[in-house]
Amino acid sequence: DIQMTQSPSTLSASVGDRVTITCRASQTISRRLAWYQQEPGKAPKLLISGDSTLESGVPSRFSGSGSGTEFTLTISSLQPDDFATYYCQQYSSYPFTFGPGTKVDIK
Amino acid sequence: EVRLLESGGGLVQPGGSLRLSCAASGLTFTNYAMSWVRQAPGEGLEWVSTITAHSDSTWYADSVKGRFTISRDNSKNTLYLQMSNLRVGDTALYYCAKHFCNGAGCDRFDYWGQGTQVTVSS
Repeated sequence: DIQMTQSPSTLSASVGDRVTITCRASQTISRRLAWYQQEPGKAPKLLISGDSTLESGVPSRFSGSGSGTEFTLTISSLQPDDFATYYCQQYSSYPFTFGPGTKVDIK
Repeated sequence: EVRLLESGGGLVQPGGSLRLSCAASGLTFTNYAMSWVRQAPGEGLEWVSTITAHSDSTWYADSVKGRFTISRDNSKNTLYLQMSNLRVGDTALYYCAKHFCNGAGCDRFDYWGQGTQVTVSS
């Protein structure tokens, strides 16, 4: 099985900050990675996938990069709606696996 | 608008059974693979099972293999998860999720339901 790790596990930041979250896969997954945002009490929401494709309606301050085993999610200027938990997920092979999550909270 | 509505959760004793349902609307259900993903209280996301659009193939997490069965009724636009021999560790919010599918296949989850709570406790 492909193991996914994320760093940091928690990130304290302020509105307007540039934020970067790293996701690593235990083996190469090409670009078969998705990023999800989960606000408290809500279902996950797909943000970015594949070759850094932004889902419809996702603000352009979100961007993704990487391939192989190392990936990053960047929020260029953190907004109040962005305080949430972010998960990466590989869809290269079953079992699909998620990273443990990165909680972005208010500094 | 795609909508996924889960139901069937509840409180069950260890060793018991439960069947979850996910009613889909706003999409051509027969075009998409579907999955169940769960989230234990205060924990992260765990993929549980996937079924292809016409039930040709299914996959299961090792943690549920042999105890859970995924199925779908395309005439009713409904996905199911039959859970048996439930354990305390199966306690979680269970989400139904639709796969993004194109000519290259099906992969990430582009729509999610709001989840149904399953609690396994004596």
